[in-house]
Amino acid sequence: GAVVSQHPSRVICKSGTSVKIECRSLDFQATTMFWYRQFPKQSLMLMATSNEGSKATYEQGVEKDKFLINHASLTLSTLTVTSAHPEDSSFYICSAKQGSSYNSPLHFGNGTRLTVT
Amino acid sequence: RKEVEQDPGPFNVPEGATVAFNCTYSNSASQSFFWYRQDCRKEPKLLMSVYSSGNEDGRFTAQLNRASQYISLLIRDSKLSDSATYLCVVTPYSGAGSYQLTFGKGTKLSVIP
Repeated sequence: GAVVSQHPSRVICKSGTSVKIECRSLDFQATTMFWYRQFPKQSLMLMATSNEGSKATYEQGVEKDKFLINHASLTLSTLTVTSAHPEDSSFYICSAKQGSSYNSPLHFGNGTRLTVT
Repeated sequence: RKEVEQDPGPFNVPEGATVAFNCTYSNSASQSFFWYRQDCRKEPKLLMSVYSSGNEDGRFTAQLNRASQYISLLIRDSKLSDSATYLCVVTPYSGAGSYQLTFGKGTKLSVIP
């Protein structure tokens, strides 16, 4: 079945540093990938839609200069949290649609638990 | 009204019980529907798509009621391993390949021995 790989699964960094998270679709091409954030006991919140070869589309309230998204190929999207602060500590999850149909399901990466100290 | 609403639970049921969750959605243009399960501190995993005619996968049955704008998930013969949070996902198609997926907050299920 379709697999989306996310790396790293866990990262601890100091305040002010930047962290890059990779999301790869392993056996299918994904022109669109999605980045979510989930705080404890909260629902998934869409941060941005990553489009291959073009700029990402950010949701309202998400700072594009802080959360840099690059989708350089059909199988890789990266999210960089720049100048991380403790309030950025969260569970970040990427996903990709297999297929272009509106009813194609999402496949999720295994998530990255970010802790900023 | 929130776009996608679910009863957060928790639903505490004994093993072997039948349990049902509902999820209501506000956008009548919604075109695709899914149930995902999410285990604690893990990523969501697709449980099943929801088709207009209703569909069944083993102990799980999903149904869609477009008139009342809700989907449901029925779990029969609950197992301990069914304990998880069940997320309702709704996708209104807004044209040109744009898919704005909306997640419910999830319904927590605990199956008790």
